[in-house]
Amino acid sequence: AQTVTQSQPEMSVQEAETVTLSCTYDTSESDYYLFWYKQPPSRQMILVIRQEAYKQQNATENRFSVNFQKAAKSFSLKISDSQLGDAAMYFCAYRRGPTSGTYKYIFGTGTRLKVLA
Amino acid sequence: ETGVTQSPTHLIKTRGQQVTLRCSSQSGHNTVSWYQQALGQGPQFIFQYYREEENGRGNFPPRFSGLQFPNYSSELNVNALELDDSALYLCASSFAGGRGQETQYFGPGTRLLVL
Repeated sequence: AQTVTQSQPEMSVQEAETVTLSCTYDTSESDYYLFWYKQPPSRQMILVIRQEAYKQQNATENRFSVNFQKAAKSFSLKISDSQLGDAAMYFCAYRRGPTSGTYKYIFGTGTRLKVLA
Repeated sequence: ETGVTQSPTHLIKTRGQQVTLRCSSQSGHNTVSWYQQALGQGPQFIFQYYREEENGRGNFPPRFSGLQFPNYSSELNVNALELDDSALYLCASSFAGGRGQETQYFGPGTRLLVL
């Protein structure tokens, strides 16, 4: 069975600085997707960034980028120029490839990010 | 484009009661997934509906059931509520149509409290 592990329950970063959130996963599949979602106190899960396992290039979305290490099964999120609005719970999620049938996500336990002014 | 909506936002029930939660999919999406998120935890997959049929189920008992309607909206029903059912229930919609369509978009959730 696939698992997702986020080993950092909480992280803090100074405004305008850079922070990296860690995620590791376990799977025997070769084709899958990885995601980072942000959940602010409003509770709504917001997609931050996604990565397709067959793509070697790391995904980037403005201030957010990932370091995808497929062999190590590692998928970390880097937030540059941190802003107060980045404060939230961040969840790493895994989904098997398009031929697998059920499109369920497997989530980690989350990392709470605090941004200090 | 209308996002995923859920109702109600909050709900209080007592043990043994039944509850129905509702979700409207994002426009153009044909798949709805439901997740249970206990306090301080990541969401856990309950089940998924694709074209009005259940398309996979997580480790939840049969008292958790669902429906998907022709307009792709969905309901989650929970019978014989237990205290441990207290959680945030998230609905997510997506379009099942091949590579590039796998991203799930979440609604704001329904907070259920069972007393």
